[in-house]
Amino acid sequence: AQSVTQLDSQVPVFEEAPVELRCNYSSSVSVYLFWYVQYPNQGLQLLLKYLSGSTLVKGINGFEAEFNKSQTSFHLRKPSVHISDTAEYFCAVSVTSSYKLIFGSGTRLLVRP
Amino acid sequence: NAGVTQTPKFRVLKTGQSMTLLCAQDMNHEYMYWYRQDPGMGLRLIHYSVGEGTTAKGEVPDGYNVSRLKKQNFLLGLESAAPSQTSVYFCASNPGGNYGYTFGSGTRLTVV
Repeated sequence: AQSVTQLDSQVPVFEEAPVELRCNYSSSVSVYLFWYVQYPNQGLQLLLKYLSGSTLVKGINGFEAEFNKSQTSFHLRKPSVHISDTAEYFCAVSVTSSYKLIFGSGTRLLVRP
Repeated sequence: NAGVTQTPKFRVLKTGQSMTLLCAQDMNHEYMYWYRQDPGMGLRLIHYSVGEGTTAKGEVPDGYNVSRLKKQNFLLGLESAAPSQTSVYFCASNPGGNYGYTFGSGTRLTVV
């Protein structure tokens, strides 16, 4: 079975500072990896995804993530955050032969002025 | 371009009451899903469907039933609501493959 771990439940950061949100996964088979963002009282929006190819994936709003197979990680980064990035971020994994997304518990990014 | 529409957006039920949540998508997607979101637990898959007329159990199916009589609709039913089913419910759809899932805006359900 697959699982996703987001160790940080909340990450406070000052505006214009860099941020990294951590995601580790467990799977015995190949996986696809996703990051979603959820703004208050809204549904989830896809930030970026890794399916294959380059391990550095760029997404919307200046976010990027790097797939590290040896460390089974898919950490999300942004070099300079804005107040508007305050939201909850979810890492998710999907087995290549399945179309079910398994989510982590989420990380709340709190950007302070 | 509506995407995925969930109705209702809010609902309060008394313990033991029943209700149906409707999810409708206009993208001709084959796959549809129901998730529940609880604080600190992320989203957990309740049931899903891989096409019209099919349904399958996810991680937390107990207490819920689903139906997909039409490709564009995926219904989630609670036959006898319990306080433990207080949650935010999200529907999602996927065309097949791993191109990304489209989520609805959620239904906030409170069972008292």
